[in-house]
Amino acid sequence: GENVEQHPSTLSVQEGDSAVIKCTYSDSASNYFPWYKQELGKRPQLIIDIRSNVGEKKDQRIAVTLNKTAKHFSLHITETQPEDSAVYFCAASKNNFNKFYFGSGTKLNVKP
Amino acid sequence: DTAVSQTPKYLVTQMGNDKSIKCEQNLGHDTMYWYKQDSKKFLKIMFSYNNKELIINETVPNRFSPKSPDKAHLNLHINSLELGDSAVYFCASSHPGGQFFGPGTRLTVL
Repeated sequence: GENVEQHPSTLSVQEGDSAVIKCTYSDSASNYFPWYKQELGKRPQLIIDIRSNVGEKKDQRIAVTLNKTAKHFSLHITETQPEDSAVYFCAASKNNFNKFYFGSGTKLNVKP
Repeated sequence: DTAVSQTPKYLVTQMGNDKSIKCEQNLGHDTMYWYKQDSKKFLKIMFSYNNKELIINETVPNRFSPKSPDKAHLNLHINSLELGDSAVYFCASSHPGGQFFGPGTRLTVL
């Protein structure tokens, strides 16, 4: 089965700096890679996703990159703000969406 | 409001009791899921259903029984609750555009 690993487990940055969170996956058949943001006491919320036919996707201050050959994908947040502080999860799935494999989460702390 | 909703939000109960959590989505999605999030924040899939049919059962104890009366609902019944069942349970649904989570049910077993 699929195994998704996520690093780092915690990340502390100064407001305005960039943050990068990395994930690797093991199953080359996975082709959909979403990222979720979970604020304290709230539900995970989809913030960006990428499919295997694309190498990079951007949405304002967040971007995701995918390297299919190396089986890794990364979340990049630029110009971080205190409201970006949360736990971020990566995940991997196949087209049928029967199952999502989640990484172990990264707690991002943006210091004002 | 289009969303995934679940009830109750909080559930406090004694060991050995039986309890249910309800989930509904009005997004028209075909696939629904139950996840367990423990105190370390790991999100672990328990079940997934597609059009009312069970497709994934992740070696969950048979004290946990999901039921999908129609494709918009996926309920979770738990028998003989144990201390280790304490966690936040999230329902979710998906379509090709992504997976969306309900607000969660915090279950505390005393």
